[in-house]
Amino acid sequence: AQSVTQLGSHVSVSEGALVLLRCNYSSSVPPYLFWYVQYPNQGLQLLLKYTSAATLVKGINGFEAEFKKSETSFHLTKPSAHMSDAAEYFCAVSGHNNNNDMRFGAGTRLTVKP
Amino acid sequence: NAGVTQTPKFRVLKTGQSMTLLCAQDMNHEYMYWYRQDPGMGLRLIHYSVGEGTTAKGEVPDGYNVSRLKKQNFLLGLESAAPSQTSVYFCASSYSSGGLNTEAFFGQGTRLTVV
Repeated sequence: AQSVTQLGSHVSVSEGALVLLRCNYSSSVPPYLFWYVQYPNQGLQLLLKYTSAATLVKGINGFEAEFKKSETSFHLTKPSAHMSDAAEYFCAVSGHNNNNDMRFGAGTRLTVKP
Repeated sequence: NAGVTQTPKFRVLKTGQSMTLLCAQDMNHEYMYWYRQDPGMGLRLIHYSVGEGTTAKGEVPDGYNVSRLKKQNFLLGLESAAPSQTSVYFCASSYSSGGLNTEAFFGQGTRLTVV
């Protein structure tokens, strides 16, 4: 079964600095990968998803993620952090068959300092 | 667009009480899910449904029951609440499960405290 591991439960950056949130997956075949964001007291919303069309995926709010098969990684980045990016971010993985196998990572809480 | 709506948003239960959480979606999605979110553990799947009249167990099903009598609704029941069920519960729906259309749409969550 596939799974994802998010390295770092908390990440703190200064406003304007690079954001890097790490996600590694475990799967026997290249999976579908997702990043979701959760703002305080809200549900999750999709930031971006990898579906094998392109290894560099651009999402909403200036975020992007690169699929690296050799490293089994799908790290999320943003060149310049904004105060409004403070939230919890979840990486998720899904397989190619239709049996509900989406799994979420434990989440990374991003703090942006002024 | 309403998307996925959960009721109630907050609830406090005493140990042993029962309750039902309601999830409604207006996107005509086949798949619906109930997750619980606990600090440091991400989201864990409780039960899910692949269509009207079907239900299946997820990762942490014990102590919960579900029903999907109508395509748009997915109910989560706690028959005898325990403090270990204190959590934030999220409902989600998707067009399919697995593959390109797995993108899940989430409700706003229900914060449940069992005392």
